[in-house]
Amino acid sequence: KQEVTQIPAALSVPEGENLVLNCSFTDSAIYNLQWFRQDPGKGLTSLLLIQSSQREQTSGRLNASLDKSSGRSTLYIAASQPGDSATYLCAVLYGNNRLAFGKGNQVVVIP
Amino acid sequence: DADVTQTPRNRITKTGKRIMLECSQTKGHDRMYWYRQDPGLGLRLIYYSFDVKDINKGEISDGYSVSRQAQAKFSLSLESAIPNQTALYFCATSDRRQGRRNEQFFGPGTRLTVL
Repeated sequence: KQEVTQIPAALSVPEGENLVLNCSFTDSAIYNLQWFRQDPGKGLTSLLLIQSSQREQTSGRLNASLDKSSGRSTLYIAASQPGDSATYLCAVLYGNNRLAFGKGNQVVVIP
Repeated sequence: DADVTQTPRNRITKTGKRIMLECSQTKGHDRMYWYRQDPGLGLRLIYYSFDVKDINKGEISDGYSVSRQAQAKFSLSLESAIPNQTALYFCATSDRRQGRRNEQFFGPGTRLTVL
């Protein structure tokens, strides 16, 4: 069974600092890895998707890396802003096109 | 904008009642999914459908049923609601033409409370 772990569960950073969020998964046989943002009580917004053949993806201030062999991904958010406060979810696509989710990194950016 | 919508957005019901949650999409995607989210447990897959005549159980299908009425519509039913089905429910879609990319797009969620 695929298990996804996100550490730390919660973190606070001062505005302007870079954010580093970690995701690990137990089975390296994945098709892709997706990072989502979730605001309280809201739906999920897809941020980045890294296919299994790729090492990283970038979108604006966001950069996600993937090391499939070691079962790890890292999401970097440069120069954090208060508007980046949210929960960030990592999910891996595996097996019969199923997504397995981590429990999230809850981020607070302090002005 | 092509979108995924869910109705209702909030629902409070009583134990034993039958409840239907509806999902519709204008993205033209063929694959649709139902998830539930519980604090401390993350999102878990309930059912998924890759086409109108295709229904598959996820990891927590007991107590739920689904209906794929058309490519754009996927409904989730709780035949006899119980309090531990209180959760945030999400519908998602993806496009098989993306192949292995299979990016999933989520609706805004339905908050269900069973008293």
